Order: sequence, then C-alpha cells, then structure tokens
Amino acid sequence: NAGVTQTPKFQVLKTGQSMTLQCAQDMNHEYMSWYRQDPGMGLRLIHYSVGAGITDQGEVPNGYNVSRSTTEDFPLRLLSAAPSQTSVYFCATNSGTGIWSEAFFGQGTRLTVV
Amino acid sequence: GQQLNQSPQSMFIQEGEDVSMNCTSSSIFNTWLWYKQDPGEGPVLLIALYKAGELTSNGRLTAQFGTTRKDSFLNISASIPSDVGIYFCAGLNYGGATNKLIFGTGTLLAVQP
Repeated sequence: NAGVTQTPKFQVLKTGQSMTLQCAQDMNHEYMSWYRQDPGMGLRLIHYSVGAGITDQGEVPNGYNVSRSTTEDFPLRLLSAAPSQTSVYFCATNSGTGIWSEAFFGQGTRLTVV
Repeated sequence: GQQLNQSPQSMFIQEGEDVSMNCTSSSIFNTWLWYKQDPGEGPVLLIALYKAGELTSNGRLTAQFGTTRKDSFLNISASIPSDVGIYFCAGLNYGGATNKLIFGTGTLLAVQP
C-alpha cells in the first residue's frame, strides 16, 4: 500500500518549458489536491478535485492545469514554466467522509525553474 | 485568501524542554489539524480536533481546539531530537462538495541534544 506517490522527486526546468507532475494514490479517496510550499508561506492550494471528472481552482491556480480522468491519478501541468513557480509541490488526498477529513500527503516534488 | 497566523515562526530549544505553539484565524473553523513535516518529506498528521474546547493528546503531544473556534494550540512535552521539523496547523472548512484545508505558515522546531 503505497499511499500517495509523486513523481518526479526533483526537476529543473528552463523558463517557458512545460511539464507534468504526476500524482497517484491507491487509497480509493475521492478528494485530491495540489499544494505548493514556499518559505514563510505555508502550503497553498493550487487545484483540487472532488472526484473523477471534476476539478476546481484553489488559492493560486494561475499557470497550472489539472485533469482527473481516474480516481487514482491527478496530474498537475505547468504550461509555460516561470521562475515564480520554483517551489515544492505536494499532492494530497483525503477521504472526504464524515465530519472531518484529514489529508494524506505525497513526499513532494522539488521544482526549480531557471 | 484566508490565512492562519502561526507562532512562533521558529524555536531553538534544548532537549527535554517543553514546547508551545499556536495558530489563530480571523474565521471560524470546523476542524483543526496539526501536521509535522520532516526534512524532504510531506506533512504527516499528528492530531485532529473536531469541536470547540476539545483537548486531545498523542503521546507527548497535546493539542486544544480553542473555545472561540478561531484558534488552536499544540504543546510538546519533554522534547527529543527527533521532534525536529516544521509543524503546521491547518483549519478545515467543510460544507458543500469540498473539503479545503487552510494551512498556517509553519513553526520550525530545532532541538539541541
């Protein structure tokens, strides 16, 4: 049982390049989210999905696209990388059941845009 | 966007000392969560609090859901070197079709043996 798996773990991009950050979960959770973590800013929500075929914007969605074709996968696409997107990216899932729903995080992808 | 104020930003303590950190919000939350992040890893849930006034322990960790529902506190007793990391509070607003976590800015804890 791997939980939440993110790939790659590290990536360096040139400004203007595009790439996809992969996130896969084997917990059968409906909710998946992408966060970015910057020094002094905590974790900020980029996009989230409440189930296959449904996505919505979070706090900082500009420059990123997502899709959710299956329950298991929630890729994050950078369309044209910018230095401001240098960050650590975390994918998370939560079960979304009951009155609370904790988030389970992947190990993160450290992205540098030069 | 909504923000949580977490303090202190960092703490440098000696092994064996007790630690306190807190999180405040301008808005009411339904649930408070406390996470720990080890270097190079994703955050891991430590404690979840579900109702105002609730006090919950997990080993040497104790957390409280403030009675105003706008704050939460985390205490670590008798710190050890493996307590090193970044601690995040998170408030959860549930309702409708979404669960959105709002995170604090984190408290960096360093423990000197």
